Amino acid sequence: ETGVTQTPRHLVMGMTNKKSLKCEQHLGHNAMYWYKQSAKKPLELMFVYSLEERVENNSVPSRFSPECPNSSHLFLHLHTLQPEDSALYLCASSQLTSGNSDTQYFGPGTRLTVL
Amino acid sequence: TQLLEQSPQFLSIQEGENLTVYCNSSSVFSSLQWYRQEPGEGPVLLVTVVTGGEVKKLKRLTFQFGDARKDSSLHITAAQPGDTGLYLCAGGDFGNEKLTFGTGTRLTIIP
Repeated sequence: ETGVTQTPRHLVMGMTNKKSLKCEQHLGHNAMYWYKQSAKKPLELMFVYSLEERVENNSVPSRFSPECPNSSHLFLHLHTLQPEDSALYLCASSQLTSGNSDTQYFGPGTRLTVL
Repeated sequence: TQLLEQSPQFLSIQEGENLTVYCNSSSVFSSLQWYRQEPGEGPVLLVTVVTGGEVKKLKRLTFQFGDARKDSSLHITAAQPGDTGLYLCAGGDFGNEKLTFGTGTRLTIIP
């Protein structure tokens, strides 16, 4: 496997379900990101992990809970979601140098539908 | 809050024509990246420009970073149906990990 992989690619869940999205990067990067992409809106940064520590939480509702157990894996745990949370969830990774943003490499995304 | 406005929002042209997509902001960025995204997939990096005034060429695509590092343009010559997709610009922030993404330009090339 190369690059950034995400599973599942598609997910349909009810508002009372609990599910998790998984991201794995095979690039040796030290930072990982979760983004939300909704129709007609710019990509929204949700969470950033740098060296496995969370450094950014863009006022995301607590029904989204990230986990970064190591530099290669990132999870997004979902519970009691709302229909407006339906979107494409994208994972990305990058190699940070001196704290500056660098090229981010994206996974294919998980298309989430909340019923 | 940093904002990146892209124009046009939608563009549909005939194969073989030339086009330019713009990415503008009032903020200064450390770098500027362009991505192309196809339906059901994540964005794929096309280029990164880091120096004000920099011009990079990738085959039929020409990218320019404004002298003041606040704007960028993407010019495509002799567009082909394979160029169809959502084009996103993204600005890098000084001293941190964040990228600010633009509003996107959806390009359709008609055979």
